[in-house]
Amino acid sequence: RKEVEQDPGPFNVPEGATVAFNCTYSNSASQSFFWYRQDCRKEPKLLMSVYSSGNEDGRFTAQLNRASQYISLLIRDSKLSDSATYLCVVNTNAGKSTFGDGTTLTVKP
Amino acid sequence: EAGVVQSPRYKIIEKKQPVAFWCNPISGHNTLYWYLQNLGQGPELLIRYENEEAVDDSQLPKDRFSAERLKGVDSTLKIQPAELGDSAVYLCASSFESRPPNEQFFGPGTRLTVL
Repeated sequence: RKEVEQDPGPFNVPEGATVAFNCTYSNSASQSFFWYRQDCRKEPKLLMSVYSSGNEDGRFTAQLNRASQYISLLIRDSKLSDSATYLCVVNTNAGKSTFGDGTTLTVKP
Repeated sequence: EAGVVQSPRYKIIEKKQPVAFWCNPISGHNTLYWYLQNLGQGPELLIRYENEEAVDDSQLPKDRFSAERLKGVDSTLKIQPAELGDSAVYLCASSFESRPPNEQFFGPGTRLTVL
């Protein structure tokens, strides 16, 4: 079993839809969490950090559930430009980073 | 502010040949990471440096891969000899430090094809 697991998708949604991705992790020593966005043949770009209290950035909401060891990303009012692969990454206090394999989102007109 | 710089962007070599990749991190970032990414998978850590010290190289195949960050700034990753299975994208990332929250910023990567 991988340390960080994501549903690979693909998720195909119409414009304006709300879509949610989950990411589960197995290392209980994990301390910091992020969502990255990766476009085809590009490098991953930081989308947002994930805080214990949950955080929102425009149409994007990230949440952390330490008890169940998962993080989530909610995208509201999907745009065509949201089409990408979304990677979650989990870091331990020792600085070890583990990426999931990503969830692919395609937003269609 | 300049981001993480990597070169070359693309490299095609014959198997058994050596190859080297170069990375210059964001100015002031003490931690530098080398990742390997295969198609359809997330980045996998090869080595992490804090300044010039390699603090995590447990996933680096040391029989053919080597890396250095001599002055704690830019870094070179080398493969010698390359194998067909080494074809992948090699990503370099940097962060201010490796303790949380340690947001990482990635370079554009080097796409390696081994023939």
